[in-house]
Parts: sequence; structure tokens; C-alpha cells
Amino acid sequence: AQKVTQAQTEISVVEKEDVTLDCVYETRDTTYYLFWYKQPPSGELVFLIRRNSFDEQNEISGRYSWNFQKSTSSFNFTITASQVVDSAVYFCALSEAKGASGGGADGLTFGKGTHLIIQP
Amino acid sequence: GAVVSQHPSWVICKSGTSVKIECRSLDFQATTMFWYRQFPKQSLMLMATSNEGSKATYEQGVEKDKFLINHASLTLSTLTVTSAHPEDSSFYICSARGPGGTEAFFGQGTRLTVV
Repeated sequence: AQKVTQAQTEISVVEKEDVTLDCVYETRDTTYYLFWYKQPPSGELVFLIRRNSFDEQNEISGRYSWNFQKSTSSFNFTITASQVVDSAVYFCALSEAKGASGGGADGLTFGKGTHLIIQP
Repeated sequence: GAVVSQHPSWVICKSGTSVKIECRSLDFQATTMFWYRQFPKQSLMLMATSNEGSKATYEQGVEKDKFLINHASLTLSTLTVTSAHPEDSSFYICSARGPGGTEAFFGQGTRLTVV
């Protein structure tokens, strides 16, 4: 069974501070995908990143960066110079792949989410 | 590309009635669609997976007779909440992917309130 743990329920920082959201996952599959989504109060899910299990390169996109460490089964997300608009709930999620069957990725297993509050 | 539209965005219904939620892929063929439920201040939980033309596969604990899923075409899946009760009030969100796709795209979600 797969599992995603986001131990930080809520984080509050002052604007311009850097903040890291932790994500630890469990899976028995060797092929899987990891995701981060942002959910503002309106409810829609905003896609941030997808990583497949064979690509351990870290990624940077503007103020956002992600650190994927297979050795510790972690996929942490850092926001640099946080802004008030970054305030939202952030979800880490895992999807296993059906691989050679060509069935594509399975449904997502989400972590409980981290509520990020950026204070002005 | 990869736009998924969910309708309605919100709905209020009386206890005992049924409500249908639609999930459409606008610019790709969605061979697989997923339905999730999110209670207030909680995470999203996968309810079921549907493949076009086949019966949906429900996750453990989800009543298939209460949450009817139909995926009759490559662009439309529907979730019908039958005999809704206040405890069914939740945020329902769908996602859709194409054949062999590694990522599914989410709709905007539907906020259901049963009174």
C-alpha cells in the first residue's frame, strides 16, 4: 500500500522568509510519480510539479524548488522569499504506474496537506 | 491543452434527492477518470476509477450503489450521489487522463451541500 505523510499541519511565516514543506512517501513500486499541488480557498487544485521515480534531479522554478531524495523517500518543497499570495494548502501526492501494461498512472494518494500562512 | 471542466461548481440539494456531477475533458480523450472527495479541512480521498466503457472500480469503503459513476464516452464521466444525506456534503473533484498518460488533469471541483 502506498502512503504520503506531510507531518506539518500548519506553517506560519512572515513574508520574504524561506519555507520548506516536507513530504515523505511509501510505496512498493519501483515506478511511481510524485506531485505537489496548491489548493487556494476557492478549492481548485493548482498543479505545481510532477516527478517520476527515475529522475532524482532537483528542480527550480522561479521561487519554487523541489528536493527529491529516493534514499530517504522524501520530496520536499521550498518556497524562497515567500509572498502573501503563496498562502494556501499544499498537497504532496503519489501515483503508482501500471508500467508495461500501458495503463498509465493510477489515481493519486494524497498527504493530509500543509496549510501555509504567509503573514505580511 | 488538457482542460477538464466540472459542472456544477456548487449545488445545494434536499436530503433524499439525487445529484449528478459532470466531468468533461475538453481537448483530449479521457480513457480514465478519477473521482475524489474532500471533507472540510481534510485531504482528498480517491473514491473510484472509471475507464471508458467499463464499470468503475471503487475504493474500499465507498458504496457503489450510492455513488453511481458512468463513463460512457471518451469525454464525459458523471458521478451521481443517490439519496443524498447531510453527511454526503463535501467537495467532489474529478481528474482525467488519456491512454497511458502519466498525469491526470483536475476539474474545478463541485461543492455539494445537502440540507
